[in-house]
Amino acid sequence: NAGVTQTPKFRILKIGQSMTLQCTQDMNHNYMYWYRQDPGMGLKLIYYSVGAGITDKGEVPNGYNVSRSTTEDFPLRLELAAPSQTSVYFCASSDNRVGTYSNQPQHFGDGTRLSIL
Amino acid sequence: GDSVTQMEGPVTLSEEAFLTINCTYTATGYPSLFWYVQYPGEGLQLLLKATKADDKGSNKGFEATYRKETTSFHLEKGSVQVSDSAVYFCALSGGYNKLIFGAGTRLAVHP
Repeated sequence: NAGVTQTPKFRILKIGQSMTLQCTQDMNHNYMYWYRQDPGMGLKLIYYSVGAGITDKGEVPNGYNVSRSTTEDFPLRLELAAPSQTSVYFCASSDNRVGTYSNQPQHFGDGTRLSIL
Repeated sequence: GDSVTQMEGPVTLSEEAFLTINCTYTATGYPSLFWYVQYPGEGLQLLLKATKADDKGSNKGFEATYRKETTSFHLEKGSVQVSDSAVYFCALSGGYNKLIFGAGTRLAVHP
């Protein structure tokens, strides 16, 4: 049972480059999330999705885009990388089919460590 | 807006010592509360949760009680082990199960 899988695990980008962080889950969860974790800080929500074709902004969406064409996949796109986007990125999913306030625990991937130089 | 405040770390303890990590929250409505743990190089794992006032979450010897009157959810363990060394995050969730995290508290347990 793979759970939530993120690729790549590490990446170094130059300023202005673009890249896509991949996230896939095999638990048939309807909700998916992207967070970033800066040193000494908690995680902050970038974008989330409540189902295929539906996405919405979180607390820190600027500089990122997402799509959700299938239940399993939720890629995060950086179009013009900036040093402020150096961080560890975590994808998560949860099963909320019983309702938006069911508060089921989120399952996290192992993260992608991204450095922008 | 909603927020979570945790005690700053690092917290350094000897094996078998008692652990308390303080967590307080500010929220509208009635959020669920969580403790997640992050081991080095890994993602976050759910440690325990509580969904309403006076609920006690427990797992692996860790406990936390949802205190609405003091807006707190302090994490406790009676006897820590070296294997408990990790970063602990307090979090609350609201609509669409979006999580709001505290800054995290690093725990180091020495033999």
